[in-house]
Amino acid sequence: GQQLNQSPQSMFIQEGEDVSMNCTSSSIFNTWLWYKQDPGEGPVLLIALYKAGELTSNGRLTAQFGITRKDSFLNISASIPSDVGIYFCAGPSNTGNQFYFGTGTSLTVIP
Amino acid sequence: DVKVTQSSRYLVKRTGEKVFLECVQDMDHENMFWYRQDPGLGLRLIYFSYDVKMKEKGDIPEGYSVSREKKERFSLILESASTNQTSMYLCASSRPWEIPTNEKLFFGSGTQLSVL
Repeated sequence: GQQLNQSPQSMFIQEGEDVSMNCTSSSIFNTWLWYKQDPGEGPVLLIALYKAGELTSNGRLTAQFGITRKDSFLNISASIPSDVGIYFCAGPSNTGNQFYFGTGTSLTVIP
Repeated sequence: DVKVTQSSRYLVKRTGEKVFLECVQDMDHENMFWYRQDPGLGLRLIYFSYDVKMKEKGDIPEGYSVSREKKERFSLILESASTNQTSMYLCASSRPWEIPTNEKLFFGSGTQLSVL
């Protein structure tokens, strides 16, 4: 299946710093999703984006659906220790009920 | 809130055993999915089902089978477990994707399977 290119692979930041990560694809997506996975848990949906150019916030998280429809960005402002985890982007296939996932960005927040 | 429940958080099995991983969702979702997650490989789709008794192969179905006898329950079966099936298994569900806002997956907490 198609893999989405997600970067960076890992980040180590100080508490209070802002975080940016992105996800790119060679294909167009009509929906972009961002998930967070805590250690030993399943991914939890953070933000869903449905329109090119759309900017959506969820608390300190903001995600954008790229204009080209081939990329998406996630920003976390003023990071806190509980932001630690792996962040995944995902997009549905055009042909059926399948999702493609990024390889994840592992975030470590140093208090 | 949608709840997707996987019956076991941790399982340890021996090579050659038959293994059942159970998943139940309580939101009347039509679609259900099984993924495995391995370091460096991300999430890979094993099987999905869009209706009772219907199933479709994903990207890595070899060595697995599934059963969907009831809408709320989707089982993953390892007929003869092997060590390379040691992994985190994630179940997910969703509504049909006729409208864009249904295009989202809800995941269970995962089952960490170790095959010795």
